[in-house]
Formats: sequence, C-alpha cells, structure tokens
Amino acid sequence: RKEVEQDPGPFNVPEGATVAFNCTYSNSASQSFFWYRQDCRKEPKLLMSVYSSGNEDGRFTAQLNRASQYISLLIRDSKLSDSATYLCVVNPSNTGKLIFGQGTTLQVKP
Amino acid sequence: EAGVTQSPTHLIKTRGQQATLRCSPISGHTSVYWYQQALGLGLQFLLWYDEGEERNRGNFPPRFSGRQFPNYSSELNVNALELEDSALYLCASSRYGTGELFFGEGSRLTVL
Repeated sequence: RKEVEQDPGPFNVPEGATVAFNCTYSNSASQSFFWYRQDCRKEPKLLMSVYSSGNEDGRFTAQLNRASQYISLLIRDSKLSDSATYLCVVNPSNTGKLIFGQGTTLQVKP
Repeated sequence: EAGVTQSPTHLIKTRGQQATLRCSPISGHTSVYWYQQALGLGLQFLLWYDEGEERNRGNFPPRFSGRQFPNYSSELNVNALELEDSALYLCASSRYGTGELFFGEGSRLTVL
C-alpha cells in the first residue's frame, strides 16, 4: 500500500462547480498534512496546511479525519485558473521526510 | 525576497557519468530538501539537510548523495548515472521542520 494515495483523475468540471478531492495515508503516526498545487511543468507550491479542526481559505476548505486517515480538499466556485494538479502531502512523525501523493489533476472548463 | 534558486536548469549526461546539481535556499531557511520527479510519477523524497547535516534520506541508492554548506546552500551529486535517473530534480527549503516547503524551478537531468 502506498504511503499516500490519491485518485489521479482527471476531474473535469465546469466553471462555478464545487469539486472535492480525497487523500488517504497509511502511517497513523503522521503529524502534519498539507495540500500543494503544481501547474503543468512548474514547481509545486503550498496551497494550505491542514489542521485537525479543519480550515478554510477563501474558496478552499481542507479537512482531516485522523480516525479514517484521510484528508480532503474542497474547492467551491471553481475558476479556470484552478486547473492544476493538487498534491496531498503527509509528514510522518515530523521527520522532515514529507511524502507526496501522486496528485489529482483538475481541469476546469468554461 | 529571492526564492529558491537551482542550477543548472538543464543538464545532459551519458550513462556512467556524474551529475552535480546546486540549490540556494530562501534567506533565513536552514532546511533544504531534494526530490526526484520522473516523468508521469510523483515526487520522491531524496534527502533532507538542516544546519549542514543530513537529517533523513529516502529509498535511493548510495550513488545519490549531497551536502549542505555553511551558507545553507546545497548540492546533490548523482554518480554512475543510469538512464532511469532522467528526471526533474526539485530542491525546496523551509524553516526547520515546518513542512511548508518552497520549491525551486528544478533541474532537468537527461541521461543518454
């Protein structure tokens, strides 16, 4: 089983749609979690950290479910500019060895 | 503020040669990470350095090595290059252990 698993997609949605991505992780001792965004042929960029209580940043909401070992990202009112690959990232035991999922590709269509 | 810078942008080598990739972190960041991203694959953790020491290592053979200098810049060395080493090598920096990484644009290594 992979340490971090994501549905690769692609998710094709119209502008204005709400889309949700899930990610599961295998190490129950994992301490911190993140979502990164990677545009085509660009470097990954931090989108948001994921806190136990859940957190929201504008149109983006991240949730953590420790019991089921999954993380989710919800994007509301999708924009064309949201088209990218979204990477789920887990930091097991704060070792610095951040584990990246394969990424979920989102295509927002006009 | 300058971001993470990597050099060279592109590098072409032949099998058996050695490659050296360089990375300068954001000012104030002491941690440097190296990741490999092969075509169509996710980011694979290679190495983590902090304060000049190797703190953690991914599942790569010993011919992948590196170091961090007193000014926190880092270099990644790949010896005895193999075709499957062809990939984008990404360097990232952070304040110690935060997990909030800032990536450079990467060095694309092609092994012929």
